[in-house]
Amino acid sequence: GENVEQHPSTLSVQEGDSAVIKCTYSDSASNYFPWYKQELGKRPQLIIDIRSNVGEKKDQRIAVTLNKTAKHFSLHITETQPEDSAVYFCAAGDGKTSYDKVIFGPGTSLSVIP
Amino acid sequence: GAGVSQSPSNKVTEKGKDVELRCDPISGHTALYWYRQRLGQGLEFLIYFQGNSAPDKSGLPSDRFSAERTGESVSTLTIQRTQQEDSAVYLCASSLVAGGQEQFFGPGTRLTVL
Repeated sequence: GENVEQHPSTLSVQEGDSAVIKCTYSDSASNYFPWYKQELGKRPQLIIDIRSNVGEKKDQRIAVTLNKTAKHFSLHITETQPEDSAVYFCAAGDGKTSYDKVIFGPGTSLSVIP
Repeated sequence: GAGVSQSPSNKVTEKGKDVELRCDPISGHTALYWYRQRLGQGLEFLIYFQGNSAPDKSGLPSDRFSAERTGESVSTLTIQRTQQEDSAVYLCASSLVAGGQEQFFGPGTRLTVL
């Protein structure tokens, strides 16, 4: 089955700097890659997703890039703000079930220092 | 509109007892997922329901865990003979249809096994 790795596990940046989180996946048939943000004590929420027919997607200060050949994808947050502090989870869609199910990475705890 | 709801929000039980956790998905959502999140850890996939198809139970950690869903409505996750290592937050999520759709998470049930 699909296996998703995520790095780094923790990340601290100064407010205004950029943050990059990287994920790799194992199943070359995966074709859906969402990112979820989980603030302390809250439920995960989708912030951006990308499908395998595009290489990059941007939404304001957030962007995601996908390299299908290398089987990795990354989340980029620019001009970080304290409210960006949270745990971020990447995920990859299980191609065996037509990406009905996604497998999550272990998460990255991002701290933005004011 | 109403989001995903879960009950109870907190459950404390004694080792060896059975527990039942409930999830009410968003109306009209055909896909429903259960995850386990241990303290400070990632989202561990447990089981996935999609419409009337056979559920994907590949993530259930042992035969003490089972789940049911009636049609496209309520789901219950049952843990029999609970162990201390079952202590975690159990999150339910639903999505509109299969195929790479946003998952909407419930608030979770925090299970503590003494």
